[in-house]
Amino acid sequence: DIQMTQSPSSMSASLGDRVTITCRASQDIGNYLSWFQQKPGKSPRRMIYGATNLAAGVPSRFSGSRSGSDYSLTISSLESEDMAIYYCLQSIQYPNTFGAGTKLELK
Amino acid sequence: EVQLVESGGGLVQPGRSMKLSCAASGFTFNNYDMAWVCQAPKKGLEWVATISYDGSSTYYRDSVKGRFTISRDNAKSTLYLQMDSLRSEDTATYYCARRRMDAWGQGASVTVSS
Repeated sequence: DIQMTQSPSSMSASLGDRVTITCRASQDIGNYLSWFQQKPGKSPRRMIYGATNLAAGVPSRFSGSRSGSDYSLTISSLESEDMAIYYCLQSIQYPNTFGAGTKLELK
Repeated sequence: EVQLVESGGGLVQPGRSMKLSCAASGFTFNNYDMAWVCQAPKKGLEWVATISYDGSSTYYRDSVKGRFTISRDNAKSTLYLQMDSLRSEDTATYYCARRRMDAWGQGASVTVSS
C-alpha cells in the first residue's frame, strides 16, 4: 500500500500568515493527489485535485504544488474560516490512502 | 445541485449486519464511479470501497474484504454498503462520495457495541 506521510500534524498560525502543509508519498503517485478541508461536524470538502488544480468555488488563496514525491498545500494569506483539519489523498492505486491530517489552529 | 444523502446508520451489536444507503440526485448517477469513506470518532479519513459506474468492478480495503459489499442500483440512483460480521473497530461515520471525492454526503453514524 502507498503511505502518505503528512506534516505537520498540527500547527498554529496568525491571520494573514502564509501556511504550507506537506504530504510525502512512499511510491510514485504522479499527480493523483487531492487535498481536503474538514471542519468540525462537517463532511470533507475537496480543495485541490490533480496536485495543482483548484476545485470549484475554492478561494484563490489556496494552491497546490509538487516537488518530486512531496506535495504541498499552501494558503497564501490565512483567514479565520480556514481553521480546519486538512487531509491529502492519493488515488492512483487501491487502496486509496489519506494522510493522517493536519489540524490548523489560530495562534 | 449535487446531493448525496446517506441513511441506515445506528447502533448494532458485534457480529450483526447493517446496510447503508446513499441516495444521489442532481447529476447522472450512472456516469460516475462511487465510493465509501469512513471516519472513526476523532480519527482521520479512511477509504473503504469503490464501485465502477456500471457496478462491474469493486475495490475494498483489506480490513473489510469479505465482510462489506458495495453495490448500486442505477435505476434508483442509489449506492449501498452492506456491512456483515461487524466489529467494534467498524464504529465510524460513513460517507458516500463520488470516486473523485468532489461531492460528499453528510455521513451516517454506525456504532458497533453490545
